[in-house]
Amino acid sequence: EAQVTQNPRYLITVTGKKLTVTCSQNMNHEYMSWYRQDPGLGLRQIYYSMNVEVTDKGDVPEGYKVSRKEKRNFPLILESPSPNQTSLYFCATRGRLTRGDPELLFGPGTRLTVL
Amino acid sequence: AQTVTQSQPEMSVQEAETVTLSCTYDTSENNYYLFWYKQPPSRQMILVIRQEAYKQQNATENRFSVNFQKAAKSFSLKISDSQLGDTAMYFCAFMKHYDFGNEKLTFGTGTRLTIIP
Repeated sequence: EAQVTQNPRYLITVTGKKLTVTCSQNMNHEYMSWYRQDPGLGLRQIYYSMNVEVTDKGDVPEGYKVSRKEKRNFPLILESPSPNQTSLYFCATRGRLTRGDPELLFGPGTRLTVL
Repeated sequence: AQTVTQSQPEMSVQEAETVTLSCTYDTSENNYYLFWYKQPPSRQMILVIRQEAYKQQNATENRFSVNFQKAAKSFSLKISDSQLGDTAMYFCAFMKHYDFGNEKLTFGTGTRLTIIP
């Protein structure tokens, strides 16, 4: 079964304490991306990766880092979290557009609260 | 840059009725995709329906259909015979057909739909 997993699903932390949200997909997709969802703003892209070792900023990258050392994993790193990073985070992946596969498949989401 | 506007923050309808959610977008692109995603209370993002801009025929998926008006840049979602399980937040989203590999989704702010028993 095609799947995107995220961990943890819920996290409460304090300002400045480094954290990592993991994301893994089992579809051998090259493209992966992170979004954050905030009330009244919809979902906005944080970072994306087009393949192993290829990452780039999305629309709201400040305060975040990513890495892509393996095709299946795309962790999101908050090195010094702040309260304005309290949000719902989604990892997503899709197949190649050239194969007519444009839909993003989302993970279950991670609810992060930074105190 | 593309923008997507959903002007109805909240809607409610009686079970079994038909409801239409509105979405407009702004783009200078000619080739793109449009999507409706559903987010139930579980928070999972679920694809409801997609439309390719080059296709004139409106997409349908069972009880869900769209009214795609390319010239007007309008993309509404119609839910027929609404069911309690349709209660969710609905997001309209736009994606360029080609953007150097990062064909990201640009989302609207969502419409919260409640189906009343």
